[in-house]
Amino acid sequence: DAGITQSPRHKVTETGTPVTLRCHQTENHRYMYWYRQDPGHGLRLIHYSYGVKDTDKGEVSDGYSVSRSKTEDFLLTLESATSSQTSVYFCAISEQSNEKLFFGSGTQLSVL
Amino acid sequence: ILNVEQSPQSLHVQEGDSTNFTCSFPSSNFYALHWYRWETAKSPEALFVMTLNGDEKKKGRISATLNTKEGYSYLYIKGSQPEDSATYLCAHDQTGANNLFFGTGTRLTVIP
Repeated sequence: DAGITQSPRHKVTETGTPVTLRCHQTENHRYMYWYRQDPGHGLRLIHYSYGVKDTDKGEVSDGYSVSRSKTEDFLLTLESATSSQTSVYFCAISEQSNEKLFFGSGTQLSVL
Repeated sequence: ILNVEQSPQSLHVQEGDSTNFTCSFPSSNFYALHWYRWETAKSPEALFVMTLNGDEKKKGRISATLNTKEGYSYLYIKGSQPEDSATYLCAHDQTGANNLFFGTGTRLTVIP
């Protein structure tokens, strides 16, 4: 998966708890993205980063925050998880903003 | 929110048949159109990124065309093989910032 590691791969948590998902890349790509995949929907962008400490919101950013303190790591935090955030989360990277994405293996998150 | 639509949602073809699918997108403010191939239990993999009206791209037996004026792209698979079975996603980039809007995909099953 182009040197992209997502952790954890699976997580079950309870409503109201904080959750952090990690994306780690070894490609030194500038751009990193968090998407969620839900039945009946295409991949939807949550947040993306265009450099260390530079982030912006995507289509479905409510309830999520991100941080990028190093080029290689992009963290997605659910401050207080809700059942509607049960989903498969994909991290992606790209070298430039207008180039193809490389995806991680995904994190299956269940919020009970 | 951009409306990217893919058709058909799914199809089954016999091994050796050629097939094609459609991706339609709003024709205003076009920057790029991406195609990805997503096999079950794997991550999406980029096939093509297309930016110019009239673009044609080819990768082995798979090719794609782009019409930005009317807002559609076709993906063609010549002589389908069982290993072509996957979901094919298209995504529209309106601004060049890789804020991609994905369709829900066309699920292809190639019957041996």
